[in-house]
Amino acid sequence: GQSLEQPSEVTAVEGAIVQINCTYQTSGFYGLSWYQQHDGGAPTFLSYNALDGLEETGRFSSFLSRSDSYGYLLLQELQMKDSASYFCAVNYGNNRLAFGKGNQVVVIP
Amino acid sequence: EAQVTQNPRYLITVTGKKLTVTCSQNMNHEYMSWYRQDPGLGLRQIYYSMNVEVTDKGDVPEGYKVSRKEKRNFPLILESPSPNQTSLYFCASVGLSFDEQFFGPGTRLTVL
Repeated sequence: GQSLEQPSEVTAVEGAIVQINCTYQTSGFYGLSWYQQHDGGAPTFLSYNALDGLEETGRFSSFLSRSDSYGYLLLQELQMKDSASYFCAVNYGNNRLAFGKGNQVVVIP
Repeated sequence: EAQVTQNPRYLITVTGKKLTVTCSQNMNHEYMSWYRQDPGLGLRQIYYSMNVEVTDKGDVPEGYKVSRKEKRNFPLILESPSPNQTSLYFCASVGLSFDEQFFGPGTRLTVL
């Protein structure tokens, strides 16, 4: 089976930086995705890393190390609207995605 | 505007009454999937499709069927719903390089 681990909850103040980690054990690996989901809403795709390294998209960056089976999502200049659940997913082949349970980020003023 | 639509958004039904949740995308994506989301379990893949007439089981396919007769549509069929299929369902559409992924708004299903 596939296994992804994410810590459960993080609280941070506006303007801070938060790093959300994801470690995985899967039968195959083609890439790591990150998603944001607000309460009651649909997941929103944030990024996809197929190769090692850091990819930056505005205030959010995503990192992948395939040799360590590890990735992280970095949220910078936190805003109240960033309060949400964030989860990772591994593409382990043929459009098969295995998801982590998610990490709740709470932003306080 | 890139979009995945699902209908209905909310449905309360009874055990054994067949239902279909529709999903449609306007991005000409080959890949589409269905997921269910349950508290504490995260998203789990039910079925996926790599192209028209190509579908395969995900992690939790029991009690579900799908079809992909056209690229844009990927309906989820519950032939005989049971209470353990009460869940929040999402349809997703993915571009070939995986750097384009869109989810539908979700369908909250309750089976009594």
